[in-house]
Amino acid sequence: GQNIDQPTEMTATEGAIVQINCTYQTSGFNGLFWYQQHAGEAPTFLSYNVLDGLEEKGRFSSFLSRSKGYSYLLLKELQMKDSASYLCAVSSSGSARQLTFGSGTQLTVLP
Amino acid sequence: EPEVTQTPSHQVTQMGQEVILRCVPISNHLYFYWYRQILGQKVEFLVSFYNNEISEKSEIFDDQFSVERPDGSNFTLKIRSTKLEDSAMYFCASSRQSSYNEQFFGPGTRLTVL
Repeated sequence: GQNIDQPTEMTATEGAIVQINCTYQTSGFNGLFWYQQHAGEAPTFLSYNVLDGLEEKGRFSSFLSRSKGYSYLLLKELQMKDSASYLCAVSSSGSARQLTFGSGTQLTVLP
Repeated sequence: EPEVTQTPSHQVTQMGQEVILRCVPISNHLYFYWYRQILGQKVEFLVSFYNNEISEKSEIFDDQFSVERPDGSNFTLKIRSTKLEDSAMYFCASSRQSSYNEQFFGPGTRLTVL
């Protein structure tokens, strides 16, 4: 089975940097995804890590350590529109690589 | 930019009725998925579909659920006899391949069972 843990809520200020952590235990691993989900909307893809290290994509970066079962999503220069739920998801080693999601971290960006 | 579409956006049904949720995946994608999200809870995998058959399914996907790709574009999820606890947002997703599988999600169908 798979277990994914991330903080329930975080608050940060506009223009600041925030780091959202995710730890996982999995019986099979084919990569870790971060998705953003605004209330009532579908998840949208942010980043993917399958090898250890940092992947940078504009204001968003994601880090993975497979030996520690740990990832984080780093958001820089926060904007009000970044207020959303951030979902950590692990891709299984099954043939279709379905995603197992964490419960999400609700980020609130304050002015 | 191509996107996954789903219809209807909202479906209200009586307990015990059958519902069919429809999805049109991105045209050159080969892997299709259904997920659900009960209000306030996490996104949960239901089923994956590849090469016209189910690849994997979760414990949630019991005999009341079925999926079909009736033609070259549509991908449907049928719930045979809905229960109150089936009320959720149902997301369809597709990906081009499985090895680097950025999954693109549709906007979802909100199912309300009364």
